[in-house]
Amino acid sequence: AQSVTQPDIHITVSEGASLELRCNYSYGATPYLFWYVQSPGQGLQLLLKYFSGDTLVQGIKGFEAEFKRSQSSFNLRKPSVHWSDAAEYFCAVGPPGDYKLSFGAGTTVTVRA
Amino acid sequence: NAGVTQTPKFRVLKTGQSMTLLCAQDMNHEYMYWYRQDPGMGLRLIHYSVGEGTTAKGEVPDGYNVSRLKKQNFLLGLESAAPSQTSVYFCASSYTERITDTQYFGPGTRLTVL
Repeated sequence: AQSVTQPDIHITVSEGASLELRCNYSYGATPYLFWYVQSPGQGLQLLLKYFSGDTLVQGIKGFEAEFKRSQSSFNLRKPSVHWSDAAEYFCAVGPPGDYKLSFGAGTTVTVRA
Repeated sequence: NAGVTQTPKFRVLKTGQSMTLLCAQDMNHEYMYWYRQDPGMGLRLIHYSVGEGTTAKGEVPDGYNVSRLKKQNFLLGLESAAPSQTSVYFCASSYTERITDTQYFGPGTRLTVL
């Protein structure tokens, strides 16, 4: 069975600084990988996804993620955060050919002025 | 186009009470899902539906029932609420079952069982 670990429960970052959120997965083969964001009072919104091909994936809101097979990681990055990026971020994995997503516990990002 | 909506947004129940959470989507999606979100555990799938009139169990189905009488609606029922069901409940929908299809989420229902 697949599983997802997000090692950082909470990250505080200054506005304009870079952000990196870690995600490690456990799965027998290469899964499909996703990052979702949950803004306060909102549902989850898909930021980006990786299925195959180029290991650097671009998403919405200026986010990108890099798949590293050797490290079983799919870390999310943003070069310069905005106050509106304060939210909870979830990494998720799913086996190809299935629909079931397994979510990590989430990382809460606080942005300070 | 409202996407996925959930009713109610908040609810407090006493142990043993029952309630129904409503999820509605206007995207003509076949697949609908109910998740619960607990601190430190991420989202876990409770039940899902592959089309009108069909439902199936997910990862944590005990204590919940669901119905999909209309394609656009997916109801989650708690027959006898327990404190362990205190959680935030999210509904989602997708066009097909393929994992490559984006799941669209509602804003959530925060349920507290006393």
